[in-house]
Amino acid sequence: KNEVEQSPQNLTAQEGEFITINCSYSVGISALHWLQQHPGGGIVSLFMLSSGKKKHGRLIATINIQEKHSSLHITASHPRDSAVYICAVLPNSGTYKYIFGTGTRLKVLA
Amino acid sequence: DAGITQSPRHKVTETGTPVTLRCHQTENHRYMYWYRQDPGHGLRLIHYSYGVKDTDKGEVSDGYSVSRSKTEDFLLTLESATSSQTSVYFCAAQGAGNTIYFGEGSWLTVV
Repeated sequence: KNEVEQSPQNLTAQEGEFITINCSYSVGISALHWLQQHPGGGIVSLFMLSSGKKKHGRLIATINIQEKHSSLHITASHPRDSAVYICAVLPNSGTYKYIFGTGTRLKVLA
Repeated sequence: DAGITQSPRHKVTETGTPVTLRCHQTENHRYMYWYRQDPGHGLRLIHYSYGVKDTDKGEVSDGYSVSRSKTEDFLLTLESATSSQTSVYFCAAQGAGNTIYFGEGSWLTVV
């Protein structure tokens, strides 16, 4: 069993829909990142969370440390949101080695 | 990108030849990483560095070596490239407050 699990693996939505991507992890963490990768592109960190909730534009990320779960929400989705979203955790064991989920491939149709 | 550049961005090489990928950062980050990304596997750690001349193996280190003689440069070397090393390689660095920054990726094809 992977230490970081994402769901769903693939997601197709219509423009304007509300989207949720989930991440569950099994280790104690110092931080959790939500990363975005457009097709053929680089990887950028959208959010870094250690508690609570963060919002940036139409994107909202939440984390529940006790339940070891995080969600990424996209409100009013748009075709330009089509990308792979990757959850990454930094364990609090002091190794400084990130653990990545395998990603959620999102396609938003116009 | 927090000043992280990778070179070359694209390379085609023949089986058995040595290849070196370079990662250069300008923000004095201590921790640097090399990952490979393959369909169905996500990002997998090859090697990482926690300071000048301080490196350690990741989960897929066989066939790869690294060097970090300066804070700003982290080199990944394939001593004798094989077709199984055809992949996209990403360099990353950890910034202040556990932020993480990635380079743009290096597409390597071994024929």
